[in-house]
Amino acid sequence: DADVTQTPRNRITKTGKRIMLECSQTKGHDRMYWYRQDPGLGLRLIYYSFDVKDINKGEISDGYSVSRQAQAKFSLSLESAIPNQTALYFCATSDYGQGEHTIYFGEGSWLTVV
Amino acid sequence: GQNIDQPTEMTATEGAIVQINCTYQTSGFNGLFWYQQHAGEAPTFLSYNVLDGLEEKGRFSSFLSRSKGYSYLLLKELQMKDSASYLCAVRPTSGNTPLVFGKGTRLSVIA
Repeated sequence: DADVTQTPRNRITKTGKRIMLECSQTKGHDRMYWYRQDPGLGLRLIYYSFDVKDINKGEISDGYSVSRQAQAKFSLSLESAIPNQTALYFCATSDYGQGEHTIYFGEGSWLTVV
Repeated sequence: GQNIDQPTEMTATEGAIVQINCTYQTSGFNGLFWYQQHAGEAPTFLSYNVLDGLEEKGRFSSFLSRSKGYSYLLLKELQMKDSASYLCAVRPTSGNTPLVFGKGTRLSVIA
């Protein structure tokens, strides 16, 4: 079983619909992240959370919201999806961010907005 | 601001050596990471440098020069399975700053 699990793995939704991507982890890490990846643009940070009551905006948070329901769960919502939110979304986790403490990615969620 | 540059694409021959460069300009520096990402899959951790010099891990090595804001990933004895994107990422300051990623270099290994 994967240490960082994302659901759904694939979703097609219509413009204007609300969609939630869920992430759960069994690594025991405090820190969780949501990234999106687009061809030619690399990985861009949407939101991150260092603890259950901590939420921080990343580079491209407009149009998205997040909820950290528990240490192991971090969900990403698109309140009203638009076609340019079509992308591959990754959840990631890390422990204390010093030294070689790197981040670990989930398998990704393909989202298509039509 | 944060800026990380790497070549968009590279092609190399099976069995050869390839060097993928990364230059960075960030507000502070607290470590540089290299990730490998096969198409449609999650990035996976390859290497970490925080001090100047070369770190070797089997066929892969990573080099860092902090004064030049420069790193490279060296892949030896290339195999077809090394065809992937290679992402350079920097931790700009303390442990409370998320990694900043470059756009990645897509490497194609040909026979």
